[in-house]
Amino acid sequence: GAGVSQSPSNKVTEKGKDVELRCDPISGHTALYWYRQRLGQGLEFLIYFQGNSAPDKSGLPSDRFSAERTGGSVSTLTIQRTQQEDSAVYLCASSLGVLGSNEQFFGPGTRLTVL
Amino acid sequence: GDSVTQMEGPVTLSEEAFLTINCTYTATGYPSLFWYVQYPGEGLQLLLKATKADDKGSNKGFEATYRKETTSFHLEKGSVQVSDSAVYFCALSDMRGGSNYKLTFGKGTLLTVNP
Repeated sequence: GAGVSQSPSNKVTEKGKDVELRCDPISGHTALYWYRQRLGQGLEFLIYFQGNSAPDKSGLPSDRFSAERTGGSVSTLTIQRTQQEDSAVYLCASSLGVLGSNEQFFGPGTRLTVL
Repeated sequence: GDSVTQMEGPVTLSEEAFLTINCTYTATGYPSLFWYVQYPGEGLQLLLKATKADDKGSNKGFEATYRKETTSFHLEKGSVQVSDSAVYFCALSDMRGGSNYKLTFGKGTLLTVNP
């Protein structure tokens, strides 16, 4: 595709519900990152995937957060039992990773609002 | 851990004014340094980068020099335009984590340029 795409662009949910956020990286990019941007804050790293290697989950804030990447392409970030403090813009980025440039290309983000 | 501190915004300038956005960092290794820009309604884009001390990154009239002695990477532009209105993020990537080039971001600086 032309760039990184994310869906949905906006998600409003009630506290306690589960949500799934999707990321389609640039074709051929082996590295994929999820970040979170809470209001008035910089972006926080959440999780990193590189090819078929085990992901680096060191940035996930709690066990309610999980992510998977199927077939080395599309990734889904799942937040279970959402809390109001989960409200943020969730950004996905991809790069060529170990195969080339480390420049990360970002998607437009998903704005999550937990009521 | 790694951290990035950038000047608080918002910054409001008139067209053709000189711009400086200060950025300092803390890292135990030898990070690469970046400036990202987010135009209204768009995703994050890489503006410029520098990978080692004394390197100067430049793009679209913007410049930043990697100063190891002062741990700084200040963004400058000699003459801003209305189209430069955006949020600017300073970031670093520390390659100590193997192939995970995760980015550590500052909180962002909103720049508004008036005609």
